[in-house]
Amino acid sequence: GQQVQQSPASLVLQEGENAELQCNFSSTATRLQWFYQHPGGRLVSLFYNPSGTKHTGRLTSTTVTNERRGSLHISSSQTTDSGTYFCAIVQVVGQLTFGSGTRLQVYA
Amino acid sequence: EAAVTQSPRSKVAVTGGKVTLSCHQTNNHDYMYWYRQDTGHGLRLIHYSYVADSTEKGDIPDGYKASRPSQENFSLILELASLSQTAVYFCASSDGWGGYEQYFGPGTRLTVL
Repeated sequence: GQQVQQSPASLVLQEGENAELQCNFSSTATRLQWFYQHPGGRLVSLFYNPSGTKHTGRLTSTTVTNERRGSLHISSSQTTDSGTYFCAIVQVVGQLTFGSGTRLQVYA
Repeated sequence: EAAVTQSPRSKVAVTGGKVTLSCHQTNNHDYMYWYRQDTGHGLRLIHYSYVADSTEKGDIPDGYKASRPSQENFSLILELASLSQTAVYFCASSDGWGGYEQYFGPGTRLTVL
């Protein structure tokens, strides 16, 4: 079945440092979506990214579908970036499959 | 922005009891989904629906039923709650299947004792 692997599983940064989160998937996906989960549990969609690179604020999402990988770059991290980041792939038949997440802790 | 609400936001249930989780969306979306999240893991699809009065099984449907009485409402039903169903449950909606972005509700934290 579909496999979505995220790395690293956890990451600790000092405020101001950059972060690179990776997402690799085992089969061809039609879409990749990045989510941020607040420490309290709320899930927020960050990027809905068919292919290529998208930017919003300090976040950059890059997806290379034919290489089955995606990445999320966070520049100049802030303590409010702390939480868990998930990537999820949309399969050909429409299934949304999530990775296990990257837990980010940014300290001042 | 898409609006998906869930009720209750948290619930404690007893083993063997019946639990109903509700989801309401005001986006005029055809598709609705129920996911569960276990601590430290990603979300997994339980049931989904693409039209009122019809539901489909997702990846982990065992122990769960779903009901879609209208386009706006989608319920998840645990007829006989078990300890293993302790999790956070998320509802989502989308305008279509596959190539459409899914919008998530705030989640319901269910504890089965």
